[in-house]
Amino acid sequence: QSALTQPASVSGSPGQSITISCTGTSTDIGAYDSVSWYQHHPGKAPKLIIYEVTNRPSGVSSRFSGSKSGNTASLTISGLQAEDEADYYCSSFTSSGQYVFGSGTKVTVL
Amino acid sequence: QVQLVQSEPEVKQSGTSVKVSCKASGYTFTSYYIHWVRQAPLQGLEWMGMISTSNGGTNYAQKFHGRVTMTSDTPTSTVYMELSSLKSEDTAVYYCAREPPGTYRFEYWGQGTLVTVSS
Repeated sequence: QSALTQPASVSGSPGQSITISCTGTSTDIGAYDSVSWYQHHPGKAPKLIIYEVTNRPSGVSSRFSGSKSGNTASLTISGLQAEDEADYYCSSFTSSGQYVFGSGTKVTVL
Repeated sequence: QVQLVQSEPEVKQSGTSVKVSCKASGYTFTSYYIHWVRQAPLQGLEWMGMISTSNGGTNYAQKFHGRVTMTSDTPTSTVYMELSSLKSEDTAVYYCAREPPGTYRFEYWGQGTLVTVSS
């Protein structure tokens, strides 16, 4: 199972909005509404920020939102803040009953 | 509060095995799956497999079939991940993570355990 495809890096200025794409296939992202997104600061444990494509866990800022179209999922961060600088990973359940992560995107706040 | 506390860092020789533990607290242990995810240096996250703590059923990533064994001990609320025939490419931080069954999300994570494989 190949990793889902994400851009290596995305940057934006404070207050701007950025979007990270996550492209898979009809056997993972396209097959299930199981896409999750994780924020990962180096040296810390990853943190769940979006699940089931669009849902935010309790306590996660409403500045994070998710969507999906076909085989591509997206994470949007609005009102970018310095603390949002981190690595972001998508994940999906697959038709083979396993899980796959995205290649990861480094978000830089300019 | 929910906590997943993992074992200390390990340094292993190539060809040997490592066993990493993940001790759960703050919730009913057998009501959630535990997954293992690793991150090699300068690499992304990689799913290794999962175990059902209620019945011990496992599902391993094809890449690790034959080399990984995940076990669960209910009395101590601890899950173990053993990786054998270690290679230098197995040097990574290994994380355990909790999933409410059938929800496809890893909602709580352990702090990670660094495993270094030296030749």
